[in-house]
Amino acid sequence: GQNIDQPTEMTATEGAIVQINCTYQTSGFNGLFWYQQHAGEAPTFLSYNVLDGLEEKGRFSSFLSRSKGYSYLLLKELQMKDSASYLCAVNTDKLIFGTGTRLQVFP
Amino acid sequence: EAGVVQSPRYKIIEKKQPVAFWCNPISGHNTLYWYLQNLGQGPELLIRYENEEAVDDSQLPKDRFSAERLKGVDSTLKIQPAELGDSAVYLCASSFSGVYNEQFFGPGTRLTVL
Repeated sequence: GQNIDQPTEMTATEGAIVQINCTYQTSGFNGLFWYQQHAGEAPTFLSYNVLDGLEEKGRFSSFLSRSKGYSYLLLKELQMKDSASYLCAVNTDKLIFGTGTRLQVFP
Repeated sequence: EAGVVQSPRYKIIEKKQPVAFWCNPISGHNTLYWYLQNLGQGPELLIRYENEEAVDDSQLPKDRFSAERLKGVDSTLKIQPAELGDSAVYLCASSFSGVYNEQFFGPGTRLTVL
């Protein structure tokens, strides 16, 4: 079967750093996506990891360990606008999404 | 550049009624996806098109759901008849061909079945 696990909710303070973890067990792996989704809006692309290691893009970084079936999304210098759901999605021959992590950033 | 366009944005119908959703993908994107997203859940793939061919419809409940992508551009997803459990957001996405390509999502249609 396909299984992707992420925490349901997280809270953090403006200016802080937060790490959102994702573990997966899937049949097939062609990479892992992270998407951001504000309430009532479409998911938008944040990152895509195919090889092990850290990918940095501005305030956001994403890490992948294929041997451990593990990824995380790191958000630095949190802003209020980062309050959203963060979706981990494994690319098999299709995208399999986790349930998403709802992040609330407080002042 | 225009993104993925979907209409309507919201639809309220009574159970057993038919409903249809429309999607216009990003120009040049061969691949089109329809997803269902329940509240508090991630999107679940219903069907994927490569041009006008449905290449993965294994998750589409074919007794009541149908889809088409005539001419390999716009697509329509239909439910007939709708059931209470069909209340959800229906997302359309598009991408260039190939499993490594980023999918771009439309704003979705929020369906409420009463």
